[in-house]
Amino acid sequence: AQSVSQHNHHVILSEAASLELGCNYSYGGTVNLFWYVQYPGQHLQLLLKYFSGDPLVKGIKGFEAEFIKSKFSFNLRKPSVQWSDTAEYFCAAKRPGGGNKLTFGTGTQLKVEL
Amino acid sequence: EAQVTQNPRYLITVTGKKLTVTCSQNMNHEYMSWYRQDPGLGLRQIYYSMNVEVTDKGDVPEGYKVSRKEKRNFPLILESPSPNQTSLYFCASSLAGGMNEQFFGPGTRLTVL
Repeated sequence: AQSVSQHNHHVILSEAASLELGCNYSYGGTVNLFWYVQYPGQHLQLLLKYFSGDPLVKGIKGFEAEFIKSKFSFNLRKPSVQWSDTAEYFCAAKRPGGGNKLTFGTGTQLKVEL
Repeated sequence: EAQVTQNPRYLITVTGKKLTVTCSQNMNHEYMSWYRQDPGLGLRQIYYSMNVEVTDKGDVPEGYKVSRKEKRNFPLILESPSPNQTSLYFCASSLAGGMNEQFFGPGTRLTVL
């Protein structure tokens, strides 16, 4: 069964600190990967996605993620966080031909302090 | 504006009282899905639909029903709600095909007493 793991459940950073959130998936084949963000009280929004090609994917708001196939990982990074990045971040995976089914990780709650 | 809408946004009800949460999208998407979000568990899929009259169970379908009579609507029905269905519910839609982004509704916070 496909699963997605996010090992950091709560992260607290100061403004301007660098961010890296871990995501690992267990599916051993071609997989599409996503990072979604949920700001307080809002719905999920897509930050970035990986389907194929360049393993370094750039998304909105200065976020990027690197797909490392050998490590089954898709970690999210941002060089310098802002207070407005306080949100919950979800990694998700979809197997092509798997009927659009998205499997989500448990989420990482990020708090950025001034 | 392209969007997924859900109603109601907040609902407090009692055990056993049937309820329906509506979901509608205006993007002509084939695929629609319902998720529940619980602390520490992330989002889990309840039911999904690949197109009109085509629905299937997700990971946590027990206690829920859905229907897809029109392409734009995908209501979630709780015939006899129980307290363990207290949760935050999200509807999502996308074009068919694995490479397409899912768009999420604003969420419905349900409390079952």
